[in-house]
Amino acid sequence: GAVVSQHPSWVICKSGTSVKIECRSLDFQATTMFWYRQFPKQSLMLMATSNEGSKATYEQGVEKDKFLINHASLTLSTLTVTSAHPEDSSFYICSASTGSPVFGSGTRLTVV
Amino acid sequence: GQNIDQPTEMTATEGAIVQINCTYQTSGFNGLFWYQQHAGEAPTFLSYNVLDGLEEKGRFSSFLSRSKGYSYLLLKELQMKDSASYLCAVLPGDRGSTLGRLYFGRGTQLTVWP
Repeated sequence: GAVVSQHPSWVICKSGTSVKIECRSLDFQATTMFWYRQFPKQSLMLMATSNEGSKATYEQGVEKDKFLINHASLTLSTLTVTSAHPEDSSFYICSASTGSPVFGSGTRLTVV
Repeated sequence: GQNIDQPTEMTATEGAIVQINCTYQTSGFNGLFWYQQHAGEAPTFLSYNVLDGLEEKGRFSSFLSRSKGYSYLLLKELQMKDSASYLCAVLPGDRGSTLGRLYFGRGTQLTVWP
């Protein structure tokens, strides 16, 4: 079946630095991908829709200048958390669709 | 906005049956998913309902009533490994839904006791 690969699976960074998370669709093209965030014991919250070749669409309350999304090819979307702070520590998950959503394995970000 | 409600926690014993309810109010509707998620892992697909009625898959069944904005996930013959969070997610009725944009409930943490 369709697979979405997400890297890294976990990352620890210092406050103020930036972190990039990659999401790749394997064996299928994804013109659109989605980025979600999940805080402990909470559900997945949609952050943004990543569109190949155009600007991402952000959900209300998500800072587009802080969470930079680039979707430069039909198989790769990246999320960069800029100037990360401890409150950005969370589980970030991407997804793509081949008719049914397929999720990446997630990235645990810890900002210290 | 989108509003999806489900209980926060449930407990049950091994071998029992448990029903997890989900109610939703969304701008249009293009289907409802149930996912299982273990701590620190990505959600795994359990079921998809777009028409009213019951869908059965082994120990797991899912029901949908579109007129009531209601779904439930039924787990039978519970096992310890079924302890996890169960997420209800809706595809709303806009263009994004055809591309897989989901709105999730907060998840129901199920604990199965021996």
